[in-house]
Amino acid sequence: ETGVTQTPRHLVMGMTNKKSLKCEQHLGHNAMYWYKQSAKKPLELMFVYNFKEQTENNSVPSRFSPECPNSSHLFLHLHTLQPEDSALYLCASSQDVSGGVSKNIQYFGAGTRLSVL
Amino acid sequence: AQSVAQPEDQVNVAEGNPLTVKCTYSVSGNPYLFWYVQYPNRGLQFLLKYITGDNLVKGSYGFEAEFNKSQTSFHLKKPSALVSDSALYFCAVLSGNTPLVFGKGTRLSVIA
Repeated sequence: ETGVTQTPRHLVMGMTNKKSLKCEQHLGHNAMYWYKQSAKKPLELMFVYNFKEQTENNSVPSRFSPECPNSSHLFLHLHTLQPEDSALYLCASSQDVSGGVSKNIQYFGAGTRLSVL
Repeated sequence: AQSVAQPEDQVNVAEGNPLTVKCTYSVSGNPYLFWYVQYPNRGLQFLLKYITGDNLVKGSYGFEAEFNKSQTSFHLKKPSALVSDSALYFCAVLSGNTPLVFGKGTRLSVIA
């Protein structure tokens, strides 16, 4: 166990559904990340939160909406997704984003495998 | 902008043989380099990092990596591969206060 828990592990949804992915970390970290991992493509950083403030949004479509209510929890709200959004969504946390390299080592959850029909 | 290249999509090696997974990087400042491993149906797991000091860095599960500044490389190595080492390996670079940038990954298959 890495200390980062993602639920659900698998999710199948239609294009008109609304669903949410959840990430929880028990490491006392202050930074949390959402990544998208698609087959045969590099890992794509989607969002970064540091001390509950969003610091990165890498041109992610608005059908993905992140929420970080506190430093331990991160959500990814999904609505009107497309089939090409099917992927493994990974959450990670680190001690800090801007505190130097030692604080930037990221710990990953097992991911949510999302299928959009 | 920083970037990482993993030139091989797939590496095959026989069990007991040495393995190398290649990584080259491009950064404007001092590089901080990482290797992560992803086993099937799992998230990425930190293996080792280079910050400063010795160019040869030792990590988990008997893996090591050699930092070569002149060749801008950070290849992952292991003297004797195990079947259980079969996984997807990611190289990543950090520079400044930006988040990690990952390579596209290299799938390692160790054949018994």
